[in-house]
Amino acid sequence: DVKVTQSSRYLVKRTGEKVFLECVQDMDHENMFWYRQDPGLGLRLIYFSYDVKMKEKGDIPEGYSVSREKKERFSLILESASTNQTSMYLCASSTLRQGTTEAFFGQGTRLTVV
Amino acid sequence: GNSVTQMEGPVTLSEEAFLTINCTYTATGYPSLFWYVQYPGEGLQLLLKATKADDKGSNKGFEATYRKETTSFHLEKGSVQVSDSAVYFCALSAGLTGGGNKLTFGTGTQLKVEL
Repeated sequence: DVKVTQSSRYLVKRTGEKVFLECVQDMDHENMFWYRQDPGLGLRLIYFSYDVKMKEKGDIPEGYSVSREKKERFSLILESASTNQTSMYLCASSTLRQGTTEAFFGQGTRLTVV
Repeated sequence: GNSVTQMEGPVTLSEEAFLTINCTYTATGYPSLFWYVQYPGEGLQLLLKATKADDKGSNKGFEATYRKETTSFHLEKGSVQVSDSAVYFCALSAGLTGGGNKLTFGTGTQLKVEL
């Protein structure tokens, strides 16, 4: 089974801190994604990556950056955390090798910025 | 652009009741369609999928049929259980265009099943 692992379930950070959210997948998937989930808004795509060192902006990239130095790892960076970035963050991965585009999700990181 | 619209919740049902959660979509090309489920405190899990028109996805008693003529993918279950209480997300994945295989999600529908 595909496993997508996020480094933390819960994080509390102070305003202005630099925050790193880490995600690792173990199925050699080429695609990885970061979403944030907010009540009433569903899931919104922040950034995604097709390959190592490749990244594309999603729908809400402002205030975030990403890094993908290895195929299995995709990091989300909050350069200077703000209270409006308090949210649930979900990492996902997918592949087209089996001709399907379903995504596999990690368990989520609930980030609180105080 | 692509979009997914699903019925607002919360939906509250008694155990063994019939469930329908409506989902309609707007997309160019021929998207794949998905239902994901999120149990409390967890990430999303794929519930079922359909990759072309008239396909029926099914899993754990849930079903959804890909209706291209009505651009819909409604989720149904004949008899819900308390353990089905969760948030359900409809999603689509566009084909290989400039957007790659990004998933676009609806806003989610919370289902609560009571005894």
